[in-house]
Amino acid sequence: EDKVVQSPLSLVVHEGDTVTLNCSYEVTNFRSLLWYKQEKKAPTFLFMLTSSGIEKKSGRLSSILDKKELSSILNITATQTGDSAIYLCAVEDDMRFGAGTRLTVKP
Amino acid sequence: DTGVSQNPRHKITKRGQNVTFRCDPISEHNRLYWYRQTLGQGPEFLTYFQNEAQLEKSRLLSDRFSAERPKGSFSTLEIQRTEQGDSAMYLCASSTGRVGYTFGSGTRLTVV
Repeated sequence: EDKVVQSPLSLVVHEGDTVTLNCSYEVTNFRSLLWYKQEKKAPTFLFMLTSSGIEKKSGRLSSILDKKELSSILNITATQTGDSAIYLCAVEDDMRFGAGTRLTVKP
Repeated sequence: DTGVSQNPRHKITKRGQNVTFRCDPISEHNRLYWYRQTLGQGPEFLTYFQNEAQLEKSRLLSDRFSAERPKGSFSTLEIQRTEQGDSAMYLCASSTGRVGYTFGSGTRLTVV
């Protein structure tokens, strides 16, 4: 059965810490992997990854895909309280999301 | 407003009633998706349209769920004979198929 698994399910850190969120997938059709941030309502788009080993970066956030390991990581450096959210990954062609990682950043 | 619009924002209904939700995608997006999200879970895929064609509906939760996208513009999701287990956030998203999905703010359904 196709699935997308995220770990950890929840994480509590202090401001300034660096975090790494994991996403692994087992799907029949794979073309790209998506990362989203969900605060209160709708998930907002962060990254789309299609090629293995190429890092995407936006400010303090970065992400990379490993097609051999069927996984991706999302890194957040120098975390801030505004980074507190649920981070979701999805396999685009399968339209399947993981359960998300709930990140809490304490002051 | 050029984002994805969903109406209503909230819906409270009695068990057994039918409900219909509307989604207006970003105008240049030809793909439209419906998801359901419950507390503590990621969005669960329901169905997908490319223009007016419904290309995937095998993951609709039951035959009480149906969706339409007449003329390839807005879409509606209908749930017939609602059950308490249908209480959830229903999210709509649209895309061009090139750079991920853009989500609407969702419709929160409460079945009492």
